[in-house]
Amino acid sequence: SFVLTQSPSVSVAPGKTARITCGGYDIGGKVVHWYQQKPGQAPVLVIYYDSNRPSGIPERFSGSNSGNTATLTISSVEAGDEADYYCQVWDSTSDVVFGGGTKLTVL
Amino acid sequence: QVTLRESGPALVKPTQTLTLTCTFSGFALNSGGVCVSWVRQPPGKALEWLARIHWDDEKFYTTSLKTRLTISQDTSKNQVVLTMTNMDPVDTATYYCARTMVAGPNYSFDSWGQGTLVTVAS
Repeated sequence: SFVLTQSPSVSVAPGKTARITCGGYDIGGKVVHWYQQKPGQAPVLVIYYDSNRPSGIPERFSGSNSGNTATLTISSVEAGDEADYYCQVWDSTSDVVFGGGTKLTVL
Repeated sequence: QVTLRESGPALVKPTQTLTLTCTFSGFALNSGGVCVSWVRQPPGKALEWLARIHWDDEKFYTTSLKTRLTISQDTSKNQVVLTMTNMDPVDTATYYCARTMVAGPNYSFDSWGQGTLVTVAS
């Protein structure tokens, strides 16, 4: 089965840039989506197809995908960005796969 | 405006069958490129995809739970139903339904219900 690996936690000071990574074998050959989940809430799609933002998602959120790592970048981090972030792909053997999630803490 | 809402029992006993209903509005399941999926999340743990039903009634299940899951749709009621048999305490989780956008072999979840917490205990 296809596995997506995320660091359990990332900490960043307000106003700085947070980078959340998602590792998987040749993930650059797949399409990656990212979700934000705040405590007690449903996930929200923040990046789709590697680097596209749905309407309503701030430009501070961006994504990239190459090689064995996809990255969600949040610039000028705000306190309201504190949440769990999940990457997700589709794989021909595993169907939909989610990463284990990364907890973003804003210091 | 797209909305989804999950409904079902908050508590089930071990070995029982769970039936969850997703009632949606703002889109039609009979249009190409749109599916509805179920995703669950045990307390404090990651998201896990469970099942998906396509506009043409094609169905897909996660391999590890395939024998226990059934997904179906009632297009007249804008509902998708998930049943899971032989429930176990490890199935305790928040269950979400989500509108799933399809492009080729790729799926993304662009709208989610608020989720329903199901506890499995005797």
